[in-house]
Amino acid sequence: AQKVTQAQTEISVVEKEDVTLDCVYETRDTTYYLFWYKQPPSGELVFLIRRNSFDEQNEISGRYSWNFQKSTSSFNFTITASQVVDSAVYFCALSGGVSYNTDKLIFGTGTRLQVFP
Amino acid sequence: SAVISQKPSRDICQRGTSLTIQCQVDSQVTMMFWYRQQPGQSLTLIATANQGSEATYESGFVIDKFPISRPNLTFSTLTVSNMSPEDSSIYLCSVRGQGAKNIQYFGAGTRLSVL
Repeated sequence: AQKVTQAQTEISVVEKEDVTLDCVYETRDTTYYLFWYKQPPSGELVFLIRRNSFDEQNEISGRYSWNFQKSTSSFNFTITASQVVDSAVYFCALSGGVSYNTDKLIFGTGTRLQVFP
Repeated sequence: SAVISQKPSRDICQRGTSLTIQCQVDSQVTMMFWYRQQPGQSLTLIATANQGSEATYESGFVIDKFPISRPNLTFSTLTVSNMSPEDSSIYLCSVRGQGAKNIQYFGAGTRLSVL
């Protein structure tokens, strides 16, 4: 079965601190996709990144960076120099493979990030 | 990406009634999805709605409780029938983006409270 685990329920930091959100996934498929979404208090899910299982290169986008390691089945998300506007719930998700509905997103339970001024 | 509008944004309903949620997209899309997010929980896929065919429901969700319509390539509705307090959730519509495979874009959701 496919599963996504976000062990950190809630993280609190002070502005300008770096913070890493952990994501561990389980799948038996060799082809799959990993995602991060942000859910601000307004409720909509904002797409941040998609990574396929064949691309283990780390990615950086401004203050955001992602570390994909197949050896540990992890896809961690780091925010550098956090800001109050980063406060949200962050979801890691998994989809893909031939055994399942390839479009079905399996979400982790989310990590609530609070950034204090 | 796509611009997705959901109506209503929130509602408070009485037990035993039904509510229909609308999802409108600003471009034609093949696949639309409906998710449920129970209070403080993660998102769970209810069903996949393709235009011109019956919706495909996930385990634990049935058509009688969550009927879905998909009359064209830009619109879908989800009805929550015979509601109970356990149906209090955020219901989100998403669409598969054009181009990049498997990316789903979400609407702002409908916050439903059942008394």
